[in-house]
Amino acid sequence: DTGVSQDPRHKITKRGQNVTFRCDPISEHNRLYWYRQTLGQGPEFLTYFQNEAQLEKSRLLSDRFSAERPKGSFSTLEIQRTEQGDSAMYLCASSLALPGSGEYFGPGTRLTVL
Amino acid sequence: AQRVTQPEKLLSVFKGAPVELKCNYSYSGSPELFWYVQYSRQRLQLLLRHISRESIKGFTADLNKGETSFHLKKPFAQEEDSAMYYCALKGQGAQKLVFGQGTRLTINP
Repeated sequence: DTGVSQDPRHKITKRGQNVTFRCDPISEHNRLYWYRQTLGQGPEFLTYFQNEAQLEKSRLLSDRFSAERPKGSFSTLEIQRTEQGDSAMYLCASSLALPGSGEYFGPGTRLTVL
Repeated sequence: AQRVTQPEKLLSVFKGAPVELKCNYSYSGSPELFWYVQYSRQRLQLLLRHISRESIKGFTADLNKGETSFHLKKPFAQEEDSAMYYCALKGQGAQKLVFGQGTRLTINP
């Protein structure tokens, strides 16, 4: 296990198309997080799962966004009807459910909406 | 509201000089504070967490609740310290990280 992996690493799409990203966390980590990062900003929280349960969603996560973690392992983030404002780096992270546990980040998926 | 402020977007120091990256936070309870680092072409990685009181790669950070600060310090900068540094906060009982905007540190030879 070499850490959190994300696929694809880059995605270019046209406005209005749907896209789906995948995240594979570190195997023993039961928490999984999605963040979004735009140029010049720090990552912003989108949502997180503990095992298969989605426990928190940010207001940033509009109705066009949906995330799943069906078996408590990998997760997918889908964006429907993409807009140019969705262009960003989408980061996945995982952690143990222990106080003070830091999150381990994946390499990110860079989305460009034309 | 939870907020993390890193007042310096860019910081440039010479090799061997001391480094201090500032981080101030706004939170009414007892937060957990972290420093993350992103080297060129690498993923974001955890550098320090205040709960561990550790020194990593010569960096230390002390949580000052009175000043609501968590500044990152290193007495002698090295060229390999050049990177983007993010301070982050996790509220009591919360799971999400709230990040600052980041400081790009450049160590000049």
